[in-house]
Amino acid sequence: EAQVTQNPRYLITVTGKKLTVTCSQNMNHEYMSWYRQDPGLGLRQIYYSMNVEVTDKGDVPEGYKVSRKEKRNFPLILESPSPNQTSLYFCASRRGAYNEQFFGPGTRLTVL
Amino acid sequence: GNSVTQMEGPVTLSEEAFLTINCTYTATGYPSLFWYVQYPGEGLQLLLKATKADDKGSNKGFEATYRKETTSFHLEKGSVQVSDSAVYFCALSDHYTGANSKLTFGKGITLSVRP
Repeated sequence: EAQVTQNPRYLITVTGKKLTVTCSQNMNHEYMSWYRQDPGLGLRQIYYSMNVEVTDKGDVPEGYKVSRKEKRNFPLILESPSPNQTSLYFCASRRGAYNEQFFGPGTRLTVL
Repeated sequence: GNSVTQMEGPVTLSEEAFLTINCTYTATGYPSLFWYVQYPGEGLQLLLKATKADDKGSNKGFEATYRKETTSFHLEKGSVQVSDSAVYFCALSDHYTGANSKLTFGKGITLSVRP
């Protein structure tokens, strides 16, 4: 089954404790993105990647890092999480620049 | 920059009622337009899309027409069901921005359909 998976689905942590949210897709897509969803703001792009070892900032990159060492994986790293990063995070992938994006199920992160 | 404006919600309808959710956009280039749906506890799923002016996207009884003259992409369904209860997002992908062509989302609107 074609899908985007994320782990963990739920995470509660404390300020400053480094964490990683994993994202993996099995569709051989070149393009992957991370979004955060906040009430009243819709979804905003954090980072994106056009292929292995090619990443760039989206609209709200502050406080986040990503890496793309393999085509299927695109982890999101929070080196020192803060409460304003409490949000619902989605990973997405697509084949070409203008094709449909497929979304993962989301990771609900709470930073205390 | 690009932006998407959706009508304010939430929206509550009775089963079999007619649905319209308004969406207007601003884009620097030639966007593709999308409606995504998010069911409770799930990720976003593409509902329908249109890639050029006057295209009509349709799926599961939902329709939306790409209106360049009014920069709109309103979502309609003739008879809603309880199972349509979800959050609906209008979005655009602007080809002018090149390789990223990220999705710019509206704020989303919650639809509740009562039996």
